[in-house]
Amino acid sequence: SYELTQPPSVSVSPGQTAIITCSGDELGDKYACWYQHKPGQSPVMVIYHDRERPSGVPERFSGSNSGNTATLTISGTQAMDEADYYCQAWDSSAAVFGGGTKLTVL
Amino acid sequence: QVQLQASGPGLVKPSGTLSLTCGVSGGSIISSNWWNWVRQPPGKGLEWIGEIYPRGDTNYNPSLQSRVTISLDKSKNQFSLKLSSVAAADTGVYYCARVRRVQDSRLGFDYWSQGTLVTVSS
Repeated sequence: SYELTQPPSVSVSPGQTAIITCSGDELGDKYACWYQHKPGQSPVMVIYHDRERPSGVPERFSGSNSGNTATLTISGTQAMDEADYYCQAWDSSAAVFGGGTKLTVL
Repeated sequence: QVQLQASGPGLVKPSGTLSLTCGVSGGSIISSNWWNWVRQPPGKGLEWIGEIYPRGDTNYNPSLQSRVTISLDKSKNQFSLKLSSVAAADTGVYYCARVRRVQDSRLGFDYWSQGTLVTVSS
């Protein structure tokens, strides 16, 4: 079965750039999405189709996808960005989520 | 604004069947989108369960396929999940979610319900 691999944790200082990676076999040939998930809340999509931002998502969130790696970049990270982040793609008609990355802003 | 509301029993006995319903408001369930179930076991990540399209097509997580049924009730604008032969490993927060479809492409999980905790225990 298809797998997506993310680092368990990433730390960043406020105002700096956070980079979260997601690896999968030929992931660049698929579309990647990213979700922000805060405790006690429902996940929120922050990137779809590799690099598109849904309405209402701040411009500091950006994405890319090439080769075997998709990347979520948060520029000028704010304290409110602290959350778990999940990448997701479709393998045929099955949705696959990465294991999640806990972003700590300290 | 589409809203999804997941509901169902919060406690299910081992070997029993977990049943949840997702009510959709602010939009029609027969629109050209996929309707999904996702869960999160305690302390773990998100796991996709399966999806249904308005014309009845379904896709399931291969690891759960033998135990999962997702159905759709157009008259009530809702869809449902049944997971049979449950065990403690099926305990978790369950979400229903919409995947927007545009020209045969899935654009991601754009609307989510609140999570509903289901515990499998005797």
